[in-house]
Amino acid sequence: DAMVIQNPRYQVTQFGKPVTLSCSQTLNHNVMYWYQQKSSQAPKLLFHYYDKDFNNEADTPDNFQSRRPNTSFCFLDIRSPGLGDAAMYLCATSRDSRGGNQPQHFGDGTRLSIL
Amino acid sequence: GQNIDQPTEMTATEGAIVQINCTYQTSGFNGLFWYQQHAGEAPTFLSYNVLDGLEEKGRFSSFLSRSKGYSYLLLKELQMKDSASYLCAVRGLPNQAGTALIFGKGTTLSVSS
Repeated sequence: DAMVIQNPRYQVTQFGKPVTLSCSQTLNHNVMYWYQQKSSQAPKLLFHYYDKDFNNEADTPDNFQSRRPNTSFCFLDIRSPGLGDAAMYLCATSRDSRGGNQPQHFGDGTRLSIL
Repeated sequence: GQNIDQPTEMTATEGAIVQINCTYQTSGFNGLFWYQQHAGEAPTFLSYNVLDGLEEKGRFSSFLSRSKGYSYLLLKELQMKDSASYLCAVRGLPNQAGTALIFGKGTTLSVSS
């Protein structure tokens, strides 16, 4: 089945130790998103790639970066995780033109814990 | 500013009908989505409205009034497995790079027998 796959499901890292979360998709969608969702809160968009174009949200901390080496893969890098970065990180994809209205398909998420 | 409001929690019994409301104030509008999210899992797409009116999909229906900035998700014949968080999300007007969703905080629905 075509899907959005996030690895790992659970990630534990130490305060200040860089960590990378990965997302892959077999849907051949052109747009990939990274969201942060803290407990009982709405998913918050961090950034997204429209094809190869990277789009950072204005309030995304500099500590968060992303890479998309090809259509299928996208990575979220947290350079120096703080305790406040503990959250569920959701990857989503969509097949969209600019201004499109297609639904986003989410992966199962990676729950990040900071020690 | 951008704001999406939903009730925090709702309860209902099996077999009943429940309506989850969502009001939004966003800078532009290009569609409203409803997602279901079970605890610890990813959101799954339920419905999409861009024009005023009702969209029906099996036990789930979604309604939109753009002039009122209002939508609701209607769940019929409730089942225990419908216990989940229901997220209302609005897509703004396209910007140079594309569009992204603004999510509400979600409504946690508890279905009891």
